Amino acid sequence: AQSVTQPDIHITVSEGASLELRCNYSYGATPYLFWYVQSPGQGLQLLLKYFSGDTLVQGIKGFEAEFKRSQSSFNLRKPSVHWSDAAEYFCAVAENAGGTSYGKLTFGQGTILTVHP
Amino acid sequence: EAEVAQSPRYKITEKSQAVAFWCDPISGHATLYWYRQILGQGPELLVQFQDESVVDDSQLPKDRFSAERLKGVDSTLKIQPAELGDSAMYLCASSRPHGELFFGEGSRLTVL
Repeated sequence: AQSVTQPDIHITVSEGASLELRCNYSYGATPYLFWYVQSPGQGLQLLLKYFSGDTLVQGIKGFEAEFKRSQSSFNLRKPSVHWSDAAEYFCAVAENAGGTSYGKLTFGQGTILTVHP
Repeated sequence: EAEVAQSPRYKITEKSQAVAFWCDPISGHATLYWYRQILGQGPELLVQFQDESVVDDSQLPKDRFSAERLKGVDSTLKIQPAELGDSAMYLCASSRPHGELFFGEGSRLTVL
């Protein structure tokens, strides 16, 4: 069964500093990979996704993520964090099997990002 | 911009009572999902519909949970009877087949 691990429960950075959130997945084939952001009391918003091709993907709000098959990782990065980036971030994996399995996302436990001024 | 609508946003109930959540997906989205997010955890899929048919309900606790999407548009998730462990955020999402999921703002349930 597929699984996602986000090793860091809580990360604190200063505004303007760089950010990297870690994500490791377990899946037998090439997965679909996603990063979502959730503000308190809100639903999830898709930041970026990886299906195939270029292993460095760009997303919204200045985020990017790199797929590394050898490390089973899909880490999220941002060169300069803004106070508005404070939220919870979820990495997710879906079966790369076409059909309707796309939506069966398996999420990590999330990483809470705090941004200090 | 089209959104996934959910109601109620907040629900407080006592254990053993019945509770229901409603979701109206984005128009044209045939696929609808209900996820449960317990505090401090990531969302977990409860049920997935394709039009009015259930595609996957393997993680739905069928002794107390039910979900329906009778006309293939909006959907209702019911819990009866509610238990303390059901306290969570219930998220609805919709998508076109093979497309991006769009999430609603969720319904937060507190069971006392």
